[in-house]
Amino acid sequence: RKEVEQDPGPFNVPEGATVAFNCTYSNSASQSFFWYRQDCRKEPKLLMSVYSSGNEDGRFTAQLNRASQYISLLIRDSKLSDSATYLCVVKPPNNNDMRFGAGTRLTVKP
Amino acid sequence: DAGITQSPRHKVTETGTPVTLRCHQTENHRYMYWYRQDPGHGLRLIHYSYGVKDTDKGEVSDGYSVSRSKTEDFLLTLESATSSQTSVYFCAISESTAGYTFGSGTRLTVV
Repeated sequence: RKEVEQDPGPFNVPEGATVAFNCTYSNSASQSFFWYRQDCRKEPKLLMSVYSSGNEDGRFTAQLNRASQYISLLIRDSKLSDSATYLCVVKPPNNNDMRFGAGTRLTVKP
Repeated sequence: DAGITQSPRHKVTETGTPVTLRCHQTENHRYMYWYRQDPGHGLRLIHYSYGVKDTDKGEVSDGYSVSRSKTEDFLLTLESATSSQTSVYFCAISESTAGYTFGSGTRLTVV
């Protein structure tokens, strides 16, 4: 079983739609969680950290469910510019590195 | 304003030749990482460093070595390149539990 699993998609949605991605992780003791965004042929960039209480940044909302070991990302009012691959990232305990999901591809269409 | 740069950006090399990729940072971050990214696998850790001359292996370290003689530079060497090492290589930097900042990547093709 992979340490971090994501639905690869692709998700194809119209502009203005709300879309949600889920991610599950295997190590229940994991401590830090992030969502990264990666545009085609570019490097991943930090979108937002995920906190236990949930957090919001504009149209983006991230939530963590420790009991079920999953993380979610909700994008409201999708824009064309949201088209990208979204990577779920988890920091295991006692590690100095992080583990990446394979990514979920989103395409927002006019 | 890039605090992390990778070189070269693209490279084509022949099977069996050694290859060195360079990662340079200006942020004075303690941690530096080398990942490879392949379709369907996501980013996989090759090696990382937690200080000058302090390095450790990641999950896909076979066939790779690293060196960090200065805080700002982290080198990845493919000792004898194979076609399975054709990939996109990303360097990343971080401080403690903060998120990573990635370099722009190196596209390596081994023919």
